[in-house]
Amino acid sequence: NAGVMQNPRHLVRRRGQEARLRCSPMKGHSHVYWYRQLPEEGLKFMVYLQKENIIDESGMPKERFSAEFPKEGPSILRIQQVVRGDSAAYFCASSPNTGTGVRAFFGQGTRLTVV
Amino acid sequence: AQTVTQSQPEMSVQEAETVTLSCTYDTSESDYYLFWYKQPPSRQMILVIRQEAYKQQNATENRFSVNFQKAAKSFSLKISDSQLGDAAMYFCAYMGPPSGTYKYIFGTGTRLKVLA
Repeated sequence: NAGVMQNPRHLVRRRGQEARLRCSPMKGHSHVYWYRQLPEEGLKFMVYLQKENIIDESGMPKERFSAEFPKEGPSILRIQQVVRGDSAAYFCASSPNTGTGVRAFFGQGTRLTVV
Repeated sequence: AQTVTQSQPEMSVQEAETVTLSCTYDTSESDYYLFWYKQPPSRQMILVIRQEAYKQQNATENRFSVNFQKAAKSFSLKISDSQLGDAAMYFCAYMGPPSGTYKYIFGTGTRLKVLA
């Protein structure tokens, strides 16, 4: 059973371009979470999705960021018109269900560098 | 809002020795979970240990154990017989209401160096 797969692992974008980060959850997992890790900081929650639904996007910046988890295919985190401050590691996690204490399994992250 | 504080940005330990990493948190809830995650240079987030707040017994996983002091809101990680492979960033995390039963609140991390 493959773990959470994120690609690409490294992504370089020029200011103003779009970044698309992909996450395939573990088999059988229908809950996906995205976190952002700025340099020398802990991970910060961005968004929680189930298939075709955004459940909680309280950690998402109001502009330029969007996320989806379609019925078929991976979850996508999309950042439009990237700026230098978007440079960070973006982690995806998945779980088979939800509830307090349910363990989420993390991918290895995508490191986004904006030049 | 829940907060998690790791006051030690960096710690060092001699190989085979014991080290304790500190973590404090703030919540008014009684039912929640606490976690320690390890992040090596590969960036993979690896679960080290998990503690349920309603359990008084401290969790242990082989060389890793916690000292959970609920009243003091303290959750420290003890690593015994430290090995070179233990060198990594360690993050303490809270999960529970009201921030969300699915949402981790992470501390800023402690970088552990293991000296040969």
